Amino acid sequence: RKEVEQDPGPFNVPEGATVAFNCTYSNSASQSFFWYRQDCRKEPKLLMSVYSSGNEDGRFTAQLNRASQYISLLIRDSKLSDSATYLCVVTRFSGGYNKLIFGAGTRLAVHP
Amino acid sequence: NAGVTQTPKFQVLKTGQSMTLQCAQDMNHEYMSWYRQDPGMGLRLIHYSVGAGITDQGEVPNGYNVSRSTTEDFPLRLLSAAPSQTSVYFCASSYRERGSSYNEQFFGPGTRLTVL
Repeated sequence: RKEVEQDPGPFNVPEGATVAFNCTYSNSASQSFFWYRQDCRKEPKLLMSVYSSGNEDGRFTAQLNRASQYISLLIRDSKLSDSATYLCVVTRFSGGYNKLIFGAGTRLAVHP
Repeated sequence: NAGVTQTPKFQVLKTGQSMTLQCAQDMNHEYMSWYRQDPGMGLRLIHYSVGAGITDQGEVPNGYNVSRSTTEDFPLRLLSAAPSQTSVYFCASSYRERGSSYNEQFFGPGTRLTVL
């Protein structure tokens, strides 16, 4: 079983739609959680951190449920420019340092 | 700042050849790492370094060597290329992670490697 699991998609949505991505992780000791965005044939970039209380950044809302080991990302009012792959990332502490563990990503395609 | 740079962008090797992927950063980050990304899989950590002269293995280190003689550079060497090493390789850097805190990792643009 993968340590971080995501629905690969693709999610095909029209502009203006609301879309939600889910992610589960298996290591209950994971302490930090993130969503990264990766455009086609580009490097990953941090989209937002995920906090237990939930957090929002403009049209993006992230939620964490530690009891269920579940992370979500909600995108409201989708734009064409939101088309990308969204990577769920958790940390694993080993060897004295936090390592990033990546999910395989969920692909989003926003169409006119 | 150029951020994290990687060379080459593309490379084709024959089985058994060796080569070095270059990575450099100009942000004075202590922590640097190499990942590979394969279809249907997340990025996987190959090797990492927490400072000049210090390196350690990640999740998939076999077939790769690293060294860190300066803060800026962290080259990845393929000793004897195999088709299974066909992948996209990303280098990343961040301020040194301390304890349970985390600092954002900045990724280079990647090297697309094909081994025939």
